[in-house]
Amino acid sequence: QTVVTQEPSLTVSPGGTVTLTCASSTGAVTSGYYPNWFQQKPGQAPRALIYSTSNKHSWTPARFSGSLLGGKAALTLSGVQPEDEAEYYCLLYYGGAQPFWVFGGGTKLTVL
Amino acid sequence: QITLKESGPTLVKPTQTLTLTCTFSEFSLSTSGVGVGWIRQPPGKALEWLALIYWDDDKRYSPSLKRRLTITKDTFKDQVVLIMTNMDPVDTATYYCARTEAYSSSLLWDYWGQGILVTVSS
Repeated sequence: QTVVTQEPSLTVSPGGTVTLTCASSTGAVTSGYYPNWFQQKPGQAPRALIYSTSNKHSWTPARFSGSLLGGKAALTLSGVQPEDEAEYYCLLYYGGAQPFWVFGGGTKLTVL
Repeated sequence: QITLKESGPTLVKPTQTLTLTCTFSEFSLSTSGVGVGWIRQPPGKALEWLALIYWDDDKRYSPSLKRRLTITKDTFKDQVVLIMTNMDPVDTATYYCARTEAYSSSLLWDYWGQGILVTVSS
């Protein structure tokens, strides 16, 4: 079974920088996994932030950026705002004969 | 603007079949590269990807749930239907539909519905 692993929780101070990562049980995450990142606040549907590793949607704040880091997909928040406190999920694509997608377990980001 | 909305029963009994409909607007499932997928989230737990159908009727399923899932589309009605058989209390979750698109060298997920909470209980 394919497992995607994220940090369960992270804490960052307002104005600080934090990096969330997303690892695959199958090995190093590359651009071919087309990492997507989502933000979810309590009681709300997820909101898309990043697609295909590092591309931002038109509504994505500039302080969010995506990359590949040490064999993982990464989401970096620079200049964190209190409203960034949320759960963050990555989504990875697994190609092959019968492609599918897998979500990570989510990272609860606390701004304190 | 693009919207998606899930509809269907909010309570089903164990062993029953669940049928959910995603009705969307401001995009078409006849456009090359466009797809609609389903994702669920049990209360207090993580998101789980379930299934996806593309404009050309290509379908993708979660390997762990493949035997229980069927996804279909009605391009004229702008709807996508997810059928899940043999429902169990562990399938209690909020079910979301979302738009996806494959273009150039990108695969993206962008717009989501508000979700529908489905409870499985006798």
